[in-house]
Amino acid sequence: DGGITQSPKYLFRKEGQNVTLSCEQNLNHDAMYWYRQDPGQGLRLIYYSQIVNDFQKGDIAEGYSVSREKKESFPLTVTSAQKNPTAFYLCASSHRGIGQPQHFGDGTRLSIL
Amino acid sequence: ILNVEQSPQSLHVQEGDSTNFTCSFPSSNFYALHWYRWETAKSPEALFVMTLNGDEKKKGRISATLNTKEGYSYLYIKGSQPEDSATYLCAFAAMEYGNKLVFGAGTILRVKS
Repeated sequence: DGGITQSPKYLFRKEGQNVTLSCEQNLNHDAMYWYRQDPGQGLRLIYYSQIVNDFQKGDIAEGYSVSREKKESFPLTVTSAQKNPTAFYLCASSHRGIGQPQHFGDGTRLSIL
Repeated sequence: ILNVEQSPQSLHVQEGDSTNFTCSFPSSNFYALHWYRWETAKSPEALFVMTLNGDEKKKGRISATLNTKEGYSYLYIKGSQPEDSATYLCAFAAMEYGNKLVFGAGTILRVKS
């Protein structure tokens, strides 16, 4: 079955540590996205990529980095510069073009030790 | 920053009741309006993507309408069932940003049997 796989499901970060969240899709989608969810708020876009080797900052990119070396993969690194990383992170993908729905993974919950 | 508002924030209804939610978005620069259903412990699932003023979409007991001139969309659920309990998210795409979505905070629906 096609889908999006996020790992790990739970992740703990120590102070000053960088951590990387994995997102893999086998839907042959060109576009991929990373969102952050905090309690009582909507999903906020961190980074997105419309095509391999290209990505753009979303609304809350500070303290995060991404790469898009392969069509199937869009890992997100939460750096030590992100002072409030505790949140639920969702990865999504879609075909490009108007009216294309996004397909989501199951999410990663990141907490600070 | 674009703003998407959803109301009500939460809703408790009895099984069999019909209900509706509102999504308000900027009326200028419209590209698309998405609705997603997010059940607990699952990933968000696309319900509808609407692109034209006056669009009406239906999937089973759930339907949605779109008014791009005044900047709102309604989601209707006819004869609510306990399995309809979920958070319903709407997301707006602006013409200048293409597939980049701005999400509302969601409406939490609880259906009691």
